[in-house]
Amino acid sequence: GQNIDQPTEMTATEGAIVQINCTYQTSGFNGLFWYQQHAGEAPTFLSYNVLDGLEEKGRFSSFLSRSKGYSYLLLKELQMKDSASYLCARTRQAGTALIFGKGTTLSVSS
Amino acid sequence: GAVVSQHPSWVICKSGTSVKIECRSLDFQATTMFWYRQFPKQSLMLMATSNEGSKATYEQGVEKDKFLINHASLTLSTLTVTSAHPEDSSFYICSARDSAGASTDTQYFGPGTRLTVL
Repeated sequence: GQNIDQPTEMTATEGAIVQINCTYQTSGFNGLFWYQQHAGEAPTFLSYNVLDGLEEKGRFSSFLSRSKGYSYLLLKELQMKDSASYLCARTRQAGTALIFGKGTTLSVSS
Repeated sequence: GAVVSQHPSWVICKSGTSVKIECRSLDFQATTMFWYRQFPKQSLMLMATSNEGSKATYEQGVEKDKFLINHASLTLSTLTVTSAHPEDSSFYICSARDSAGASTDTQYFGPGTRLTVL
């Protein structure tokens, strides 16, 4: 992805908490997205942050710091079905296409 | 709400033939749709931005004469891969932006089309 960095792989166990970090280039920033993608399927929307702070949505939370060009996705009470690729994405400007990071493959084991 | 469909889900074709992929927004209008391509174990790469009633905007390195995009209505965009070759084999995914949605940045993805060129 264009100047969007996230770890390639992470592993965790069921019931645990995992934090997936994402850093991005701050110029022209308009909003930060997180998507979940299972193998062979299209991405599904998880969260959208445009202001600083933490947004909680059930087991998933997303944090944004615009000044630091930093976001993280927090997954609580991990389940086996959470094993997937998690994609950090941003828009180049309002209403334009998403630019994706390379994704973080999360493996959850029992 | 906010459902996007793609057809076909998968297609196998011979080298040199053309393949058309449809992307439809089922319950909202989308003046803008986006086409992405994803190779195995890689992230989604934007190919082009499709605007209803006007020409598509292609990303650098994407051949506009090979990947023909038509966005004739507010709910339908098509991508035609012309003279397909094995290196065009990939997962093609469209997304649509809800023109009237609360967040104009949120995009909804279709289920993707797996293209295999023999």
